[in-house]
Amino acid sequence: AQSVTQLDSQVPVFEEAPVELRCNYSSSVSVYLFWYVQYPNQGLQLLLKYLSGSTLVKGINGFEAEFNKSQTSFHLRKPSVHISDTAEYFCAVMRNRDDKIIFGKGTRLHILP
Amino acid sequence: GAVVSQHPSWVICKSGTSVKIECRSLDFQATTMFWYRQFPKQSLMLMATSNEGSKATYEQGVEKDKFLINHASLTLSTLTVTSAHPEDSSFYICSAPLGRGTDTQYFGPGTRLTVL
Repeated sequence: AQSVTQLDSQVPVFEEAPVELRCNYSSSVSVYLFWYVQYPNQGLQLLLKYLSGSTLVKGINGFEAEFNKSQTSFHLRKPSVHISDTAEYFCAVMRNRDDKIIFGKGTRLHILP
Repeated sequence: GAVVSQHPSWVICKSGTSVKIECRSLDFQATTMFWYRQFPKQSLMLMATSNEGSKATYEQGVEKDKFLINHASLTLSTLTVTSAHPEDSSFYICSAPLGRGTDTQYFGPGTRLTVL
């Protein structure tokens, strides 16, 4: 079975500072990896995904993530955050295409002025 | 573009009543849909996989007789919470893959259920 661990439940960071949200996954087979964002009182939005190929994946809103197979990690980064990035971020895995998605517990990103 | 809708967006009901939530794929067909629930400030927990024309597959610990799922057409799945209790109050979210073998999955905006 697949599982996802997000190591930080909350991450406070000052506006315009860089941020990294950590994600580790566990799986005995190759998986597809995702980061989703949920803004307050809104639905889920896909930030980026890793399927194969280049381990550095760029997504929307200036976010990027790096897949590290040896460390089974898929950390999300942004070089300079804005107040509008305040949201809940979910790391997720999918074993096969069109299969169910398993989510981590989420990391709440607090942007400090 | 492809979108998944849910209806209603929020519902309040009395304890003991049943509530039906609809999930529709717009502009694409979905032979499979997924139902999640999300408690306040928590993650999405997969409840079940809805399969068009066959029985749903429930995750361990989810009562299939309480959470009835019907996938009657290629664009509609329904989740019925039967004999709802206050502990069933939650945010229910559905998702649908864009097609067989695709890695693209669309999520509905969610339905907030409050049971009094």
